[in-house]
Amino acid sequence: DAGVTQSPTHLIKTRGQQVTLRCSPKSGHDTVSWYQQALGQGPQFIFQYYEEEERQRGNFPDRFSGHQFPNYSSELNVNALLLGDSALYLCASSLGLVWPGNQPQHFGDGTRLSIL
Amino acid sequence: SQKIEQNSEALNIQEGKTATLTCNYTNYSPAYLQWYRQDPGRGPVFLLLIRENEKEKRKERLKVTFDTTLKQSLFHITASQPADSATYLCALDWGKLQFGAGTQVVVTP
Repeated sequence: DAGVTQSPTHLIKTRGQQVTLRCSPKSGHDTVSWYQQALGQGPQFIFQYYEEEERQRGNFPDRFSGHQFPNYSSELNVNALLLGDSALYLCASSLGLVWPGNQPQHFGDGTRLSIL
Repeated sequence: SQKIEQNSEALNIQEGKTATLTCNYTNYSPAYLQWYRQDPGRGPVFLLLIRENEKEKRKERLKVTFDTTLKQSLFHITASQPADSATYLCALDWGKLQFGAGTQVVVTP
């Protein structure tokens, strides 16, 4: 049973560049959420996708955007990268559009993004 | 805004003892509260979910309590083992899942 997979595992970019991170949800799941985790902090909710639409969004600027494909996989795009965007980006999947707190979130191991 | 507090200091505990972690929050109580385990360089792994109308939940050596009056959840690991060493995160559902910063647990033989 394939779990959540994310690519790439590590990425180095410079300020001002753009980046795309990818996520394949756990088999059978149709909802994907993205989180940013700074060093020593807990994950912070960026947004959630269900049926190819953004359903909920956290306190992140418009530089952060996403997409969900018909096969439920998802991409996170970040434009005009800042030093403060350096973090571990986590993807989590679940089944159905329910309150995220009502069911377990299945996380991938993330993409470590470093901005120079 | 909602705030979540978990002990920032690492909890060092001897093998076989019970580890107790706290998760305090402000403002109104969430409908659901979850606990996750995170190992270095890995994503969080779900452990337990408790609803606001439940006082206690158990799973093997793990126990979670949820006190909406105190605005606090306690997470217990009984008969702790070195393999339990990790960071433990609480997450509260306020429409969006909000995580605490986590508490590191170190279990020594």
